[in-house]
Amino acid sequence: KAGVTQTPRYLIKTRGQQVTLSCSPISGHRSVSWYQQTPGQGLQFLFEYFSETQRNKGNFPGRFSGRQFSNSRSEMNVSTLELGDSALYLCASSRGTGQASYEQYFGPGTRLTVT
Amino acid sequence: SQQGEEDPQALSIQEGENATMNCSYKTSINNLQWYRQNSGRGLVHLILIRSNEREKHSGRLRVTLDTSKKSSSLLITASRAADTASYFCATDMDSNYQLIWGAGTKLIIKP
Repeated sequence: KAGVTQTPRYLIKTRGQQVTLSCSPISGHRSVSWYQQTPGQGLQFLFEYFSETQRNKGNFPGRFSGRQFSNSRSEMNVSTLELGDSALYLCASSRGTGQASYEQYFGPGTRLTVT
Repeated sequence: SQQGEEDPQALSIQEGENATMNCSYKTSINNLQWYRQNSGRGLVHLILIRSNEREKHSGRLRVTLDTSKKSSSLLITASRAADTASYFCATDMDSNYQLIWGAGTKLIIKP
């Protein structure tokens, strides 16, 4: 089975721009979660989608948004980028919703640098 | 908000020795998970243990859960260089199945 894939792997953007990251889950997995990882804050949950519906959301501003398509692929968008948005963005898929109940399979991440 | 906190923050041992990491949490949980992250393989799930379980094994890994002390431990036996990584525990809170992550334990295995 192919693993979780994320594109692009690396991205450099300028403050004020917007960015869209993509995640393809493992075949058959309907839940996709997004995380932001930084050295200072660690792993922080952004949101979870299941069957095209947002099931859970972390404490991030509205500049961070996401969506899930009917094939379970997911995208997240960050608008009006700030320097503090520089981070590794991780996507994880699982068989069911309710993250804690299922093992999460992570992609390699997208390293976003905002200059 | 941080639910699980790992201890120690960093651990350095000789290859072949056992490594023990601990995770403490604040509120009742449904499940607790352990993950490993290294530069080569990214973030990988190790073990999921439910609140009604006390111990689980997977190969050289052993996880225990003590709900009365609100703590869990991860034991890696006969450590290898490939075990060098950061180890995270992730828990939910009783009423919410969202995972909340600790800051991790950085484990270094010296040859």
